Parts: sequence; C-alpha cells; structure tokens
Amino acid sequence: GAGVSQSPRYKVAKRGQDVALRCDPISGHVSLFWYQQALGQGPEFLTYFQNEAQLDKSGLPSDRFFAERPEGSVSTLKIQRTQQEDSAVYLCASSLLVAGAGELFFGEGSRLTVL
Amino acid sequence: TQLLEQSPQFLSIQEGENLTVYCNSSSVFSSLQWYRQEPGEGPVLLVTVVTGGEVKKLKRLTFQFGDARKDSSLHITAAQPGDTGLYLCAGVIGYGNKLVFGAGTILRVKS
Repeated sequence: GAGVSQSPRYKVAKRGQDVALRCDPISGHVSLFWYQQALGQGPEFLTYFQNEAQLDKSGLPSDRFFAERPEGSVSTLKIQRTQQEDSAVYLCASSLLVAGAGELFFGEGSRLTVL
Repeated sequence: TQLLEQSPQFLSIQEGENLTVYCNSSSVFSSLQWYRQEPGEGPVLLVTVVTGGEVKKLKRLTFQFGDARKDSSLHITAAQPGDTGLYLCAGVIGYGNKLVFGAGTILRVKS
C-alpha cells in the first residue's frame, strides 16, 4: 500500500522482554516521528528523525527506549526490559517536509500490552 | 504539563447541535494543525493554520488561529454522528522539530 505501515499491529510481551516495533514510512518522506498514545489521550512525542538523523529524542521515557532509522527509510523502535507502564499504542508518522511544515501521515499503530 | 491544553475533554451532543473545541497554550506556535482520530486508526489531518488571525473553513468545520498564534478553535455546525471521534490539535513551538499534541477532545454525536 501507499500509506505508513506498522508491524506488528498487536504485541503481547511478558515483563522484562525486549520488543521491536517496525515502521515503513511513505517512500520519499523526509520526516519520521514516533509517538506513544494512551487510550483516549493525545499522542505523546517520543522522537523525531529527519532522514537518517535523529534530531530529537527528548520524549523517550527512559534509556530502555531506543529508535533508529539507519538508511533514512524504515525505522525501528526498540524497548528493552519492558515494564507494565510501557503498555500503550505506539504510532509512527511520516511527512514529506520537515517537522510542522507538512501533513503527518500516521500508521494504524502497534498496540503493546505488557503482562 | 501539557504544552497544548484542549477543552472540553469530552463532549456528548445531539445530532444537529453546534459545538466549539478549544486549543490553548502559553507558547507561540509557528503553525498549528487539527487532526481527527477514530478508534483503531491513526490521526488524520483536517487543517493546518499558519498566520495569526487566520480562519479556514472545511464544509461544516471552521478553524481559527489566534492573533498571537497561541490558541486555536474548531467550530462544528450541525454536528452529525459521523463527526464522532477524537479531535487533536498539534503544533511546533517556534521553529523546532518537536510536533506536540494536545490531550484531545472526545466528541460523541448522538442521532
């Protein structure tokens, strides 16, 4: 498809496991964002990439969270030693332009449940 | 502390009523966007406002950006059940890279 693709859609992890969430942005999009969203709340900023450069990671809640976009296309959000408070929907969004200048196209999200 | 405060948090109205949702901040935004999100899906852009005092209309939706670029409103005329969803405002403070969202307004329109 031509939209932003995220996988897996649903992930159940046991406390302490590592998880990796993948985002395939729209081809040619410069900007890529990761957000964390709790039920009925707005997305909380995690990190921002402009091509392969991670320009802002101020929203990552702890050093257990790590994101990469090595070739400026696909991105992976990795969470090490998952905790129950990590349970949320993780949204990826891409944009043709730099941050704030253009429309963000979102994926459907990856719902993480940590038991 | 939310950089963007949205109100009300929840709104339940009858079909045909009008409503206004507010998005406020103490910070100046270079641009502000409104998104709508349905359950199980990602947010979808409704509008981007850039100029202070700007008013944009999208069918029954009217968006306004405050003169000082610190606040915005979304007005829906004659709401319909299809308008039900989570309405989110989002903006970049100054000319940085961090696009932040408000907590959202959950709108339910009953038929």
